[in-house]
Amino acid sequence: QVQLVQSGSELKKPGASVKVSCKASGYTFTSYAMNWVRQAPGQGLEWMGWINTNTGNPTYAQGFTGRFVFSLDTSVSTAYLQISSLKAEDTAVYYCARVGVGRSFDYWGQGTLVTVSS
Amino acid sequence: QSALTQPASVSGSPGQSITISCTGTSSDVGGYNYVSWYQQHPGKAPKLMIYDVSNRPSGVSNRFSGSKSGNTASLTISGLQAEDEADYYCSSYTSSSTLGFGGGTKLTVL
Repeated sequence: QVQLVQSGSELKKPGASVKVSCKASGYTFTSYAMNWVRQAPGQGLEWMGWINTNTGNPTYAQGFTGRFVFSLDTSVSTAYLQISSLKAEDTAVYYCARVGVGRSFDYWGQGTLVTVSS
Repeated sequence: QSALTQPASVSGSPGQSITISCTGTSSDVGGYNYVSWYQQHPGKAPKLMIYDVSNRPSGVSNRFSGSKSGNTASLTISGLQAEDEADYYCSSYTSSSTLGFGGGTKLTVL
């Protein structure tokens, strides 16, 4: 069965970096694009962008350029989200989500809570 | 500010039907049949309920249905059950080749 398993919660200080992993199993990793979605505490879902798992080419949504980097390691079917120069407002749950039919997100990771606090 | 507009909350009694709207523009909801709906229970990851406006993934109850008219998409839940109480989000592909979410709707089952 399809599974996306993300890395555990992180507590970081402002200015630090964090790398969140999303390990896929149960399907051919390079056959489906991977997206990243942010959910701040008590807030809605926010699309961050996606990465083409065939070419490694990332596309970032407005507001997620510069400090956010999507990457892959296809040898272990894993997608990564790295955030640098962390700010308090980056505190959120970050989800990876596979793109299925019609640009829908058919499978989601369990989410990774990133807390930025001094 | 979300790209798509949803009511903040809706409510209904068990057995009743409710509808959640998702209003966009001709550049997103109105221009493509790529509208999806997600259910999210507290502390859980979202779950796909409807894709391509009106299609249900395998395993999703047929009490959930989707439709679209012009720039507004709708999710209808019939025969409300206590387990349907959750947050619901719509999503649409856009003419900028991006994806947008609605602000979310909290469904309360009275």
